[in-house]
Amino acid sequence: DAGVTQSPTHLIKTRGQQVTLRCSPKSGHDTVSWYQQALGQGPQFIFQYYEEEERQRGNFPDRFSGHQFPNYSSELNVNALLLGDSALYLCASSVGPSNYGYTFGSGTRLTVV
Amino acid sequence: KNEVEQSPQNLTAQEGEFITINCSYSVGISALHWLQQHPGGGIVSLFMLSSGKKKHGRLIATINIQEKHSSLHITASHPRDSAVYICAVQPNTGNQFYFGTGTSLTVIP
Repeated sequence: DAGVTQSPTHLIKTRGQQVTLRCSPKSGHDTVSWYQQALGQGPQFIFQYYEEEERQRGNFPDRFSGHQFPNYSSELNVNALLLGDSALYLCASSVGPSNYGYTFGSGTRLTVV
Repeated sequence: KNEVEQSPQNLTAQEGEFITINCSYSVGISALHWLQQHPGGGIVSLFMLSSGKKKHGRLIATINIQEKHSSLHITASHPRDSAVYICAVQPNTGNQFYFGTGTSLTVIP
């Protein structure tokens, strides 16, 4: 039974570019949450998707957007990349917005140069 | 203001030592998670607690809901326990988790 799968595992982008990160939830999970983890910090909540809608959003600018597909997989898009966007981006999936069975992926390491 | 505070931030121990990591939180919660993160990023959920105590192998987690405090204990620590341990709480309201900044544990042979 596959857990949460994220792709790519590592990514290097240039300042000003756009990036798309992908997440496939654990089998049976229908809710996806995205987190940004800067070096030496705990994860910071970006947003959560359930039933293909953004249900809650953390304190991140509109450059961060997302999408959830009918198969429950999700994408995180970041436009106009800044050096400060360099971080580990974590996806977590769960059953319903109550976060039952919360499971993390291994993350995508984004470096902006 | 952090909803979740962990201590210590860094911890170095000799192999075999008993280790305690503490977590305090300020919001009402439905559950508390202890997570383990190894270099490279992958996070593994160790425990989910809503009351009392849970044990798995050499790991023990306790929670006191009234005092808004949880502890993670590692008995007979081993170098493979070296990782960052993160406390995360699931509040009663809202969908997001709140995370501590983590405790970086190094166990020396």
